[in-house]
Amino acid sequence: IAGITQAPTSQILAAGRRMTLRCTQDMRHNAMYWYRQDLGLGLRLIHYSNTAGTTGKGEVPDGYSVSRANTDDFPLTLASAVPSQTSVYFCASSEGQANTGELFFGEGSRLTVL
Amino acid sequence: GQNIDQPTEMTATEGAIVQINCTYQTSGFNGLFWYQQHAGEAPTFLSYNVLDGLEEKGRFSSFLSRSKGYSYLLLKELQMKDSASYLCAVKDSNYQLIWGAGTKLIIKP
Repeated sequence: IAGITQAPTSQILAAGRRMTLRCTQDMRHNAMYWYRQDLGLGLRLIHYSNTAGTTGKGEVPDGYSVSRANTDDFPLTLASAVPSQTSVYFCASSEGQANTGELFFGEGSRLTVL
Repeated sequence: GQNIDQPTEMTATEGAIVQINCTYQTSGFNGLFWYQQHAGEAPTFLSYNVLDGLEEKGRFSSFLSRSKGYSYLLLKELQMKDSASYLCAVKDSNYQLIWGAGTKLIIKP
């Protein structure tokens, strides 16, 4: 059972470059989320999607965009990366909408912007 | 503002019991989660409390007092594999999850 797959696992990126982090789930969950995790801080929600075709902004959406063309895929794009976007990014999903249930996380994507 | 407070780090001995506290101030309350996160890995679900009281699940128990804005995670018969960070998260009135920074638990032999 794969659950949630993220790619790449790790990436070093020059500032100003465009980058897409991929996220795919095979659990047919309606809701999906992107979080960033930084040392000393709690997980912060970037964007979310309650169901295919809809997306919403989280706590720290600036500089990021998402799309949800189908149930399984939820890519996160950094249009022009900046060093402050250096972080570990986690994709997650849940059965219900609006965080009503347990979250299942991918293994994370470690991004370094130089 | 909304806030979740947890101790940054705790140390305990293998075989012992440890209690990790979490206090919260949020706009409304729709449940509290505990997650475990080993270094370099993804968080995994441990427990969910929405009513006051103690929920027991094997060696792990979670307690909630909504009137005090307080929860704790109790780990019994500690094992070396319990060395991890423990994340407390609260669902607010908009069903958004507010996360604490996590408590790093170090288990010593």
